[in-house]
Amino acid sequence: AQKITQTQPGMFVQEKEAVTLDCTYDTSDPSYGLFWYKQPSSGEMIFLIYQGSYDQQNATEGRYSLNFQKARKSANLVISASQLGDSAMYFCAMREAYYSGGSNYKLTFGKGTLLTVNP
Amino acid sequence: NAGVTQTPKFQVLKTGQSMTLQCAQDMNHNSMYWYRQDPGMGLRLIYYSASEGTTDKGEVPNGYNVSRLNKREFSLRLESAAPSQTSVYFCASSEAASRVTEAFFGQGTRLTVV
Repeated sequence: AQKITQTQPGMFVQEKEAVTLDCTYDTSDPSYGLFWYKQPSSGEMIFLIYQGSYDQQNATEGRYSLNFQKARKSANLVISASQLGDSAMYFCAMREAYYSGGSNYKLTFGKGTLLTVNP
Repeated sequence: NAGVTQTPKFQVLKTGQSMTLQCAQDMNHNSMYWYRQDPGMGLRLIYYSASEGTTDKGEVPNGYNVSRLNKREFSLRLESAAPSQTSVYFCASSEAASRVTEAFFGQGTRLTVV
């Protein structure tokens, strides 16, 4: 079963509008972390925002916010006031613990959503 | 301020050849990861290492081996390359002791197996 599911292969948004990118996850670890990364066409991975499973408030970083609904196991990324430079692939990722002689973590990614911002 | 450095950036191999992708980080991170990225598949975890001396298989380990040489370096080896291993490979590192810190990525290696 997929740990991270991004159901939108592609999304379009008009410049200056807001857009929501969906992410659902599955884990039995009570202490997990959720991340969003942006990958522009140049290929580098850019960290955007983080949400911890115990964080009471939704994370925000500038124009990015994370709509965290723990009971529904969803962690959607909201980009406000879209800009042309936001056109990129967006990945949701989850860090969860595993036990191998101690507590360690692994990081799993979804398949990504390709966002296109239209002028 | 290098972060995560991968070498090479590009490589073309013939089927059956072997090669090692190198990765080094200078952030004193415990955890290191190797991913492959294919169109429509996202980033899939090949192997990861929680600390020096330990490695674990990820989703797609077949055809690969890894070595965590020391805390800084984590290499990925293809013993006998196959066309199915044509992909973009990313190395990443993170501070395992803190769940809140993000992973830092290298620039990627674009590998083509012909």
